[in-house]
Amino acid sequence: GAGVSQSPSNKVTEKGKDVELRCDPISGHTALYWYRQSLGQGLEFLIYFQGNSAPDKSGLPSDRFSAERTGGSVSTLTIQRTQQEDSAVYLCASSPQMGNQPQHFGDGTRLSIL
Amino acid sequence: SQQGEEDPQALSIQEGENATMNCSYKTSINNLQWYRQNSGRGLVHLILIRSNEREKHSGRLRVTLDTSKKSSSLLITASRAADTASYFCATDHIGGFNKFYFGSGTKLNVKP
Repeated sequence: GAGVSQSPSNKVTEKGKDVELRCDPISGHTALYWYRQSLGQGLEFLIYFQGNSAPDKSGLPSDRFSAERTGGSVSTLTIQRTQQEDSAVYLCASSPQMGNQPQHFGDGTRLSIL
Repeated sequence: SQQGEEDPQALSIQEGENATMNCSYKTSINNLQWYRQNSGRGLVHLILIRSNEREKHSGRLRVTLDTSKKSSSLLITASRAADTASYFCATDHIGGFNKFYFGSGTKLNVKP
């Protein structure tokens, strides 16, 4: 498909475990964004990539969160030592370049921490 | 917070009626975008309006932007049951280094 793909679509794990969420952006899109959406809420900006570089990581909620992007394509969001408050839907979006561009979203990963 | 805030939080109308949703924000912006989200899905981009534009149309959608009041409105005319979704505004702020701020959304229910 030509859209943004996220995997897994659902993830249930125990508190304290590490999780890895994956995002495949639209081919050729240089900008990639991660957001978190709690139930019935708006989107919380986490981090963005321009190519493989993440100029601003201040949106990440804690040092348990990290993200990387390789080859200007796939991105991985890793949460270490998960806590129950990490339960949310994690959305990824991409756009052809930074700024003034519509973002194309995946359907998200629904993360549940038991 | 620099986040936009949508108003109302929820809106229920009959099919064929118009739906108006509002968005307010706090700091100067480069542009403002509206998105819709169906339950359990990602967001879909509807329309982008730049800070030097006042009004934009796309099909049954009409967006206005008043930078002096730091507010925007989204009008959906002749609503359909399929328009039922949550609608979000997103702003990227001058000096915001490409961060995008989303409001908490308006949940629209269009009754057939």
